[in-house]
Amino acid sequence: DAMVIQNPRYQVTQFGKPVTLSCSQTLNHNVMYWYQQKSSQAPKLLFHYYDKDFNNEADTPDNFQSRRPNTSFCFLDIRSPGLGDAAMYLCATSRDQAGSDEQFFGPGTRLTVL
Amino acid sequence: DAKTTQPPSMDCAEGRAANLPCNHSTISGNEYVYWYRQIHSQGPQYIIHGLKNNETNEMASLIITEDRKSSTLILPHATLRDTAVYYCIVNRGSNYKLTFGKGTLLTVNP
Repeated sequence: DAMVIQNPRYQVTQFGKPVTLSCSQTLNHNVMYWYQQKSSQAPKLLFHYYDKDFNNEADTPDNFQSRRPNTSFCFLDIRSPGLGDAAMYLCATSRDQAGSDEQFFGPGTRLTVL
Repeated sequence: DAKTTQPPSMDCAEGRAANLPCNHSTISGNEYVYWYRQIHSQGPQYIIHGLKNNETNEMASLIITEDRKSSTLILPHATLRDTAVYYCIVNRGSNYKLTFGKGTLLTVNP
């Protein structure tokens, strides 16, 4: 089945130690998104790629970066994780950037910062 | 994008219809109503969306009032697996960004 895959499902890192989360998709969608969801809160968009074009949300901290080496893969890099970055990180894809294109979400990676 | 208001929680008996309301009184003419849900510890899942007309798919029905200021998501025969947070999102069709609100926690009881 076509899907959005996130690895690992659970990630533990130390305060200040760089960490990378990965996402892959078999849907061949043009757009890939990264959301952050803190405990008991709604998901919040960090940034997205439309093909190779990177689009950052205005309030996304510089500590968060992303790479999309090809259509199928997208990475979220947290350069110096703080305790406040502990959250579920959700990857999503859509066929195009139109709001009418539904977004398909992966299961998420839960990040713990010690 | 217009803001939405949803009740924080609702209960429903298994097998009965679940009717989840959403108010979006400031919706503009080119904005769609979307519904997503998030089962605990999973990613959100698209359910349905509509502009003016009522919509139905294999998961649910979406009823939008004539003035478009409110809508109702209907799960016709709720099951325990429908227990989730349901998000109503208003979005322009040209806008990729989903802005999630607090949603409604629907609990389906045996």
